[in-house]
Amino acid sequence: EIVLTQSPDTLSMSPGERATLSCRSSQTVSSNYLAWYQQKPGQAPRLLIYAASSRATGIPDRFRGSGSGTDFTLTIDRLEPDDFAVYYCQPYGSSPYLTFGGGTKVEIK
Amino acid sequence: QVHLVESGGGEVQPGESLRLSCAASGISFKTFGMHWVRQAPGKGLEWLAVISSDGNSAYYADSVKGRFTISRDNSRTTLYLQMNSLSPDDTAVYYCARSDTYDSYYFYYMDVWGKGTTVTVSS
Repeated sequence: EIVLTQSPDTLSMSPGERATLSCRSSQTVSSNYLAWYQQKPGQAPRLLIYAASSRATGIPDRFRGSGSGTDFTLTIDRLEPDDFAVYYCQPYGSSPYLTFGGGTKVEIK
Repeated sequence: QVHLVESGGGEVQPGESLRLSCAASGISFKTFGMHWVRQAPGKGLEWLAVISSDGNSAYYADSVKGRFTISRDNSRTTLYLQMNSLSPDDTAVYYCARSDTYDSYYFYYMDVWGKGTTVTVSS
């Protein structure tokens, strides 16, 4: 069973800054099949990144995914007010039994 | 435009059952795998179950295996989650989501989500 560790739990940032979120897997993520989701309060999650670094449709290029193997990063450049949310990582594609990381909350400092 | 709309949530007592539905429109429903994911109040996302595009294969998280059953009706483009023996720990918002799939065993990222339906289990 894959265990995902996201860090930090909370990131206090100011608009315009760069946020760097980490997702570490206890096992190698096959084919770098890792997704990132954004969730705002009271809303459903939204797909941001898939295959570690590919942006989903309509996602601005301020969102960048990177990493491979067991260590992955979501970078958000020039934080905008709409970016303050909780972000989850999720590996997929090697087993039908899926899991999510615990999430990182990006809050306004 | 792709839409998933969950329904069937509500308040029930411990030990009771509930069936959730997820109506799909605007997509080729029968070609996608479908998931249920839940989120307890103030908590993170928990994947619960997935069903293959043809409905013949289903997989469950340990936390719901034996109590919950995922199913689908491709003719009605609707996904279901039958939940039995509910406990207060099942109180959550329940989301359905779709993903590409192959071999009825491998499922990709969830690219379309419904808005969720709330289930409250309380005496």
